[in-house]
Amino acid sequence: RKEVEQDPGPFNVPEGATVAFNCTYSNSASQSFFWYRQDCRKEPKLLMSVYSSGNEDGRFTAQLNRASQYISLLIRDSKLSDSATYLCVVPHTGRRALTFGSGTRLQVQP
Amino acid sequence: GAGVSQSPRYKVTKRGQDVALRCDPISGHVSLYWYRQALGQGPEFLTYFNYEAQQDKSGLPNDRFSAERPEGSISTLTIQRTEQRDSAMYRCASRAGPNEKLFFGSGTQLSVL
Repeated sequence: RKEVEQDPGPFNVPEGATVAFNCTYSNSASQSFFWYRQDCRKEPKLLMSVYSSGNEDGRFTAQLNRASQYISLLIRDSKLSDSATYLCVVPHTGRRALTFGSGTRLQVQP
Repeated sequence: GAGVSQSPRYKVTKRGQDVALRCDPISGHVSLYWYRQALGQGPEFLTYFNYEAQQDKSGLPNDRFSAERPEGSISTLTIQRTEQRDSAMYRCASRAGPNEKLFFGSGTQLSVL
């Protein structure tokens, strides 16, 4: 099993839709997780941290399911500006490095 | 500085040449990471430092790749005898401590002809 797996998409959704992405991870000991957003040809930028209780920031909700070893990102009321690649990030197995998923591409259409 | 700074922004080199990529992290950030990113893929871990100590270099593809951070601030990633397959975006990131968020630089786009 890969350390981090994401559905590459693309997810094509209309404005206003709700969309959810999952990310599975293999290291059951991982404690902290992140979602990053990356626009085309730009550097990744932190969207949200994900802790054991999950968290919500406006239209964005991140959840952690330890039993099934996945994290999720829910985007409500999608905007055109949400179009980007969403990368999940988990601690590298046995090390302090961070492993990135390959990303899920979201395209919000008018 | 205000953000992570990388130079050069673009580097075009001929196969067989050595290249040095520079990263200046956010002032005071303990950890510095190097990643490589191919088009359409997520960043691939190469190596990272805490202060001047290289903590993990397991992601370096082979012995042509090396990195240093001699004074615990600026870091250099060196690729010797470059090959076409080394062409990619090389990204540096830093963070203040464990479990803190990573801040990325704009990257160095390396093209090996």
